[in-house]
Amino acid sequence: AQSVSQHNHHVILSEAASLELGCNYSYGGTVNLFWYVQYPGQHLQLLLKYFSGDPLVKGIKGFEAEFIKSKFSFNLRKPSVQWSDTAEYFCAVSPRRNTGKLIFGQGTTLQVKP
Amino acid sequence: NAGVTQTPKFRVLKTGQSMTLLCAQDMNHEYMYWYRQDPGMGLRLIHYSVGEGTTAKGEVPDGYNVSRLKKQNFLLGLESAAPSQTSVYFCAGAGVPGAHWETQYFGPGTRLLVL
Repeated sequence: AQSVSQHNHHVILSEAASLELGCNYSYGGTVNLFWYVQYPGQHLQLLLKYFSGDPLVKGIKGFEAEFIKSKFSFNLRKPSVQWSDTAEYFCAVSPRRNTGKLIFGQGTTLQVKP
Repeated sequence: NAGVTQTPKFRVLKTGQSMTLLCAQDMNHEYMYWYRQDPGMGLRLIHYSVGEGTTAKGEVPDGYNVSRLKKQNFLLGLESAAPSQTSVYFCAGAGVPGAHWETQYFGPGTRLLVL
């Protein structure tokens, strides 16, 4: 069965620290990859996405992610986090040409201390 | 454009009651989805629709029904609510003319408590 695994469930960082959130998926075919963010009390917003091309993708608010096909990974990074980055982050995978259904990871709660 | 909207925002039900959650979109999305979000489990797909008049089961369809009579609306029904259906429900739409169709846009969510 297709699945998405996020390694960290709860991460606590101080402002200006670097962030890397792990995401691995299990699916043998071609996929589209996404990171969504959910700020407290808000709905999910798209942070970045990868469909094809350069495996290093840049998203909003200084986030980036790297797709490593051989490792089935799509890790999210940010060089220097801010207090406003406190949120829950979801990695999601969509098998290509599969009516766009998203398979989500469990989510990672990021808490940034000022 | 309002994007994807959901009503109600919050609802409390007693076990056995029924209700319908409404998702509306004004972005001409072809595809629409209903998810539930539970702590530590991410979002799980309940049902989805690939066009007006069509629906299909997702990962966790039991206890729910859906209808897509109009392209802009996707209704999620609970015929006989159970405490296990206490959750936050998100609707999403995808397939915007001129943009990549596989990016989903989410509504603000409906928080449901079943007592």
